[in-house]
Amino acid sequence: EVQLVESGGGLVQPGGSLRLSCAASGFTVSTNYMSWVRQAPGKGLEWVSIIYSGGSTYYADSVKGRFTISRDNSKNTLYLQMNSLRAEDTAVYYCARAYDSSGYYDYYFDYWGQGTLVTVSS
Amino acid sequence: EIVLTQSPGTLSLSPGERATLSCRASQSVSSSYLAWYQQKPGQAPRLLIYGASSRATGIPDRFSGSGSGTDFTLTISRLEPEDFAVYYCQQYGSSPKTFGQGTKLEIK
Repeated sequence: EVQLVESGGGLVQPGGSLRLSCAASGFTVSTNYMSWVRQAPGKGLEWVSIIYSGGSTYYADSVKGRFTISRDNSKNTLYLQMNSLRAEDTAVYYCARAYDSSGYYDYYFDYWGQGTLVTVSS
Repeated sequence: EIVLTQSPGTLSLSPGERATLSCRASQSVSSSYLAWYQQKPGQAPRLLIYGASSRATGIPDRFSGSGSGTDFTLTISRLEPEDFAVYYCQQYGSSPKTFGQGTKLEIK
């Protein structure tokens, strides 16, 4: 059974840092595309970042240069390092497996974790 | 960036009725790479439909998707009490992958 369990959320001051983790089971993180998607309180879904099986990484413009996605193959775990946090980064952060339907980086999200809340406030 | 606009914002229906949700794209979605998700309060989104019309594993056949180009539809043929939730569309034919703002399906 596929499971994704996020952790690491919490309250942080503007300008601060936080690292989110997503422990996967039932499949291998390193051979799949893995992504972070966030949802601000009462709002819709926003794609944040992806790491491809080959290791390439991509980011939404809103977080580029501040967030870093990575993985630890030995722990089968995905990470999101968030620096220079802003109030507008407040959201529930979901990790999700991204399924490539075409082999050309055309992916949708077939499995999701339960999310972890990040609150940026002084 | 492709902008997805979902309508209506809120849909009020009764169990047993048919629901029709719309997702319109600002430009053509290549190869009908359009997915639909269901989200209940306090829960993660769940994949319902991919490729505009293919049901994900375990999704009941009362859920169906259709459309191409810029206009897509999610239809729920006979609403069950557990179907009342927020529904999002997502295009994955171009980057960045984008979501619609959601349609809330509420009990009338």
